[in-house]
Amino acid sequence: DSGVTQTPKHLITATGQRVTLRCSPRSGDLSVYWYQQSLDQGLQFLIQYYNGEERAKGNILERFSAQQFPDLHSELNLSSLELGDSALYFCASSVSHDGTDTQYFGPGTRLTVL
Amino acid sequence: GQQVMQIPQYQHVQEGEDFTTYCNSSTTLSNIQWYKQRPGGHPVFLIQLVKSGEVKKQKRLTFQFGEAKKNSSLHITATQTTDVGTYFCAGRGTDKLIFGTGTRLQVFP
Repeated sequence: DSGVTQTPKHLITATGQRVTLRCSPRSGDLSVYWYQQSLDQGLQFLIQYYNGEERAKGNILERFSAQQFPDLHSELNLSSLELGDSALYFCASSVSHDGTDTQYFGPGTRLTVL
Repeated sequence: GQQVMQIPQYQHVQEGEDFTTYCNSSTTLSNIQWYKQRPGGHPVFLIQLVKSGEVKKQKRLTFQFGEAKKNSSLHITATQTTDVGTYFCAGRGTDKLIFGTGTRLQVFP
């Protein structure tokens, strides 16, 4: 158990819909990262927040947005969903803001878009 | 932009054989991390290398960071079925960690 929690575990929805994925980092970690992993694919970095502020951006679509709240939990919002958005979404947390320390991954949310 | 590639993409070995995965970056890295993802699981941190030419060992696993800090390797001696999974390297460039494409290892008993 990494100490990072993600809800829900599974999500099935239809094209055009909007969903919210939630992540709670490990106690004491200020950074939250979001990754997308499609079937048999690597980890695509989406976005990082550090202590409530956006820190780094990766290949995140404009239909996707995220935020980190004062209690440090984070939410990833995916809208106008397409079939190709079906994937495993991981959240990870770490202490630092600059990616020099270990990232602890949550169990992931499996999103299926029908 | 910065890219991190890994080869091979897949590797099937007989239990007891050795295994090596290679990681190459298009830019110089400040550090490199290795993660393992078991089937159906999430990535788990294995190790971090920081210094040029650094070599670290964890039991049967040997990690190397290249002299130019643009490549790295993970070598597993005498693989076991518990080594099954996907191994990712992750290199830090200027402002973020970029994960490699991963090498999926299958070990046959």
